[in-house]
Amino acid sequence: AQTVTQSQPEMSVQEAETVTLSCTYDTSESDYYLFWYKQPPSRQMILVIRQEAYKQQNATENRFSVNFQKAAKSFSLKISDSQLGDAAMYFCAYRSGAKHKIIFGKGTRLHILP
Amino acid sequence: ETGVTQSPTHLIKTRGQQVTLRCSSQSGHNTVSWYQQALGQGPQFIFQYYREEENGRGNFPPRFSGLQFPNYSSELNVNALELDDSALYLCASSLPSLAGEAYEQYFGPGTRLTVT
Repeated sequence: AQTVTQSQPEMSVQEAETVTLSCTYDTSESDYYLFWYKQPPSRQMILVIRQEAYKQQNATENRFSVNFQKAAKSFSLKISDSQLGDAAMYFCAYRSGAKHKIIFGKGTRLHILP
Repeated sequence: ETGVTQSPTHLIKTRGQQVTLRCSSQSGHNTVSWYQQALGQGPQFIFQYYREEENGRGNFPPRFSGLQFPNYSSELNVNALELDDSALYLCASSLPSLAGEAYEQYFGPGTRLTVT
């Protein structure tokens, strides 16, 4: 079975600095997708970035980028120029190419220090 | 474009009762997934509906059931509520998954269910 592990329950970063959130996953599949979701106190789950496993190039969305290490099964999220609005729970997630469900990690709570 | 909406926002029920949670999909989306998020945990997949039929299910007992209507709105029903059913229930809508594609799931704000 596939699993997603986030080993950092909480992290803090100074406003305008860069922070990296870690995620590892386990799968025997070759066709899958990886995601980072943000869940602010409003509870709305928002997709931050996604990565297709077949793509070697790391995904980037403005201040958010990933470091996808397929062989190591690692998928970290880097947030550059952190802003107060980035404070939230961040979930790493996995989806098989052939199945419907998204498997989430336990999350990392990110605090932004002014 | 209307986003995913869920009702009610909060709900308190007693153990043994039954509950129905509702979800309206984002316009144009015909697939809806339900997730349970216990406090301090990541969401767990309950099931998915496509064209009014269950199209995948997670490790949840049969007392968790669902419906999808012709307008693609959906209900999650939970019978014989247990204390451990207390959680945030999230609904997400998307276009149908096709081989080689992972359409984004758009989440609603959730329903907070408390079972006492």
